[in-house]
Amino acid sequence: NAGVTQTPKFRVLKTGQSMTLLCAQDMNHEYMYWYRQDPGMGLRLIHYSVGEGTTAKGEVPDGYNVSRLKKQNFLLGLESAAPSQTSVYFCASSPRPPGAFFGQGTRLTVV
Amino acid sequence: GNSVTQMEGPVTLSEEAFLTINCTYTATGYPSLFWYVQYPGEGLQLLLKATKADDKGSNKGFEATYRKETTSFHLEKGSVQVSDSAVYFCALSVGFDSGGGADGLTFGKGTHLIIQP
Repeated sequence: NAGVTQTPKFRVLKTGQSMTLLCAQDMNHEYMYWYRQDPGMGLRLIHYSVGEGTTAKGEVPDGYNVSRLKKQNFLLGLESAAPSQTSVYFCASSPRPPGAFFGQGTRLTVV
Repeated sequence: GNSVTQMEGPVTLSEEAFLTINCTYTATGYPSLFWYVQYPGEGLQLLLKATKADDKGSNKGFEATYRKETTSFHLEKGSVQVSDSAVYFCALSVGFDSGGGADGLTFGKGTHLIIQP
């Protein structure tokens, strides 16, 4: 049972480049979340989804887009990366809110 | 809005010492409260939770009691081990009948715990 899997684990981008982070869960969970973790800031919610085909903004959504075309996948996109988006990104899923199963994280550096 | 305040770290203790990590919260509604643990290089794991006042969450020797009167959810363990070294996050969620709201968790900044042999 893989749980919550994030791809990739590490990435370096140049300012202005785009990329997509993939989160996949094999537990048939309805709720999925994207957080970013920054030193001294804890985790902050970027976007979330309460089911297939739905998305909603969290606390820090600017500069990010998401899609939930399939129940098991939740994609986080950066259209034009900025150094301020250097962070560790965590995906979480849960059968009910607010999300108890976390992936291992994606460390993104924007130079 | 909602917020969580937890003690700054790092907290350094000797093995078998008693642990307390303080957590207080501010919430617009009636929150559920959580402690998560993050081991080096890993994602967060739910350690324990409490969904109503006076509830005590417990797991792996850790426990925390939901104190509505003091808006607190302090984490305690009677005898820590080197393997408990990690970052601990207090979090809350508001909404729904129990368990929390669909709009995710509000986290504290985390407390880095270091246990020395």
